[in-house]
Amino acid sequence: KAGVTQTPRYLIKTRGQQVTLSCSPISGHRSVSWYQQTPGQGLQFLFEYFSETQRNKGNFPGRFSGRQFSNSRSEMNVSTLELGDSALYLCASSTTSAGYEQYFGPGTRLTVT
Amino acid sequence: QQQVKQSPQSLIVQKGGIPIINCAYENTAFDYFPWYQQFPGKGPALLIAIRPDVSEKKEGRFTISFNKSAKQFSLHIMDSQPGDSATYFCAASGRTGGSYIPTFGRGTSLIVHP
Repeated sequence: KAGVTQTPRYLIKTRGQQVTLSCSPISGHRSVSWYQQTPGQGLQFLFEYFSETQRNKGNFPGRFSGRQFSNSRSEMNVSTLELGDSALYLCASSTTSAGYEQYFGPGTRLTVT
Repeated sequence: QQQVKQSPQSLIVQKGGIPIINCAYENTAFDYFPWYQQFPGKGPALLIAIRPDVSEKKEGRFTISFNKSAKQFSLHIMDSQPGDSATYFCAASGRTGGSYIPTFGRGTSLIVHP
C-alpha cells in the first residue's frame, strides 16, 4: 500500500496570504489528523476528521481550518498567514475508527516571509 | 501546560550502547503510549506502543518499560546502531471524542557514533 501523501512538500508564502495543504491517507484509512511541528512548540495537534466530520480540534485560532472529502482525502487551510505559522505541517491517517495507530506523511514545509 | 515531559533532549552513544529515553505524564486518563521515530525530512513513524496493563513490551531491539504508579515510561534501544540516529518522540493519549489524540513529548535527538 502507498503511504500517506502530502502536497505540496514545500511552500513559501507571504504574510497575509492564505494557503491550502492537501493530504491523501493510506487506502482504507478513514481517520485523518493534522499536526503542526515547530522547533519551539514541538508536535501540536490541529484537528482530526473521520467520515467527513471534524471529531476533535486542538487549541489553534480559527484561521486554521480543515475538511475531509468522501474519499477520505483531507485539506487544511490557513488564512491570513503570520510569520509564526512557518512550520512543518504533518498529516496522519489511521485504520481504526478510534484512530490510535497513526501513520504520518512526510509533511509540508511552509515558510511565511 | 506540558502534559508529557521527555528527557533527555539529546543523547549521544557509541555503537552497541543502550540509549534510554524517559517520559512522564500527568493525565491518568491516558491509556495508550506510543513511541515515534523521525528522520530528517520525514514524518514520524510509529515504532512501538504500550498500554498500561503491561509493564514491558519488546519489539526487536526496542523495549518500552512502563510504570503506571509513577506515571512514567521509557524507551530502551538495545545494541544501538548508527542507523538508529534520529529524533524520538514519546506520546500519550486517551479516548477523546471517539478517538485517541496523542500529546507528544518534545523529542530526543539521538546520535549513535560508529
